[in-house]
Amino acid sequence: ETGVTQTPRHLVMGMTNKKSLKCEQHLGHNAMYWYKQSAKKPLELMFVYNFKEQTENNSVPSRFSPECPNSSHLFLHLHTLQPEDSALYLCASSHTTGATDTQYFGPGTRLTVL
Amino acid sequence: TQLLEQSPQFLSIQEGENLTVYCNSSSVFSSLQWYRQEPGEGPVLLVTVVTGGEVKKLKRLTFQFGDARKDSSLHITAAQPGDTGLYLCAVKATGYSTLTFGKGTMLLVSP
Repeated sequence: ETGVTQTPRHLVMGMTNKKSLKCEQHLGHNAMYWYKQSAKKPLELMFVYNFKEQTENNSVPSRFSPECPNSSHLFLHLHTLQPEDSALYLCASSHTTGATDTQYFGPGTRLTVL
Repeated sequence: TQLLEQSPQFLSIQEGENLTVYCNSSSVFSSLQWYRQEPGEGPVLLVTVVTGGEVKKLKRLTFQFGDARKDSSLHITAAQPGDTGLYLCAVKATGYSTLTFGKGTMLLVSP
C-alpha cells in the first residue's frame, strides 16, 4: 500500500465508449502524474500536474483528457479510444515536481480497448 | 534508440542463485533510480544513486552507479521467489522532475 489508489483496477471498453480512470493520493502531495505502460515499451509519462495546474503534456492524443480538481485527485477521461491504447495506466504522486522528490505509484488500471 | 538500455530483458533462475542486471546509457545523469514492479502493482522505488562509483546495499540487493554516471548494475545474492518482478531503472534530466524509464528486466525466481 503506497498511499495512492486507483479505480477501477480493470476496465474493458469499446472504441465508442466514454470512461474515466480515477486516482487518489493520501500522502499530502502536490504533484500527480499519469503514465502509460504498454507491453515491450518503457513506461511513458503522459501528464504532470503540480498544485492542480497541468505542467506537462507529453504529446498525448486528445482522446485522453486529464482533470485535476484538487491536489489529492486526478482523473483521466477516455473517449473514442483505439485498440493500441490498451495498456496499464499508472498514477503517481510526489511532494512537488522537484528533481529530488520521490514518486509513489498506484497499482494501475489495466485497460483493454476492443 | 532508447535513452536507457536494460539487460537482460528476461531472466529465469532457481532460488538461491546470484544474478546481475544492467542499465546502460550513453548519457551522463545526475542520479539514477531502481524500481521493482510486482505483478498487478505499480513500481516501488528501491534506491537512488547519485555519486559516480557509489555502492548501496539493501539486504541482498547491491546497487552500483558507474564511475562516469552513465550506467548502473543491480546484483541480487541468493535470490528468493519474493524477488520476482520487473526491475526498472529510471533517470531524471538535471533540474527536471520527470522520470524516463528503461524497458526493464523481468526476473522470475522459481522455488
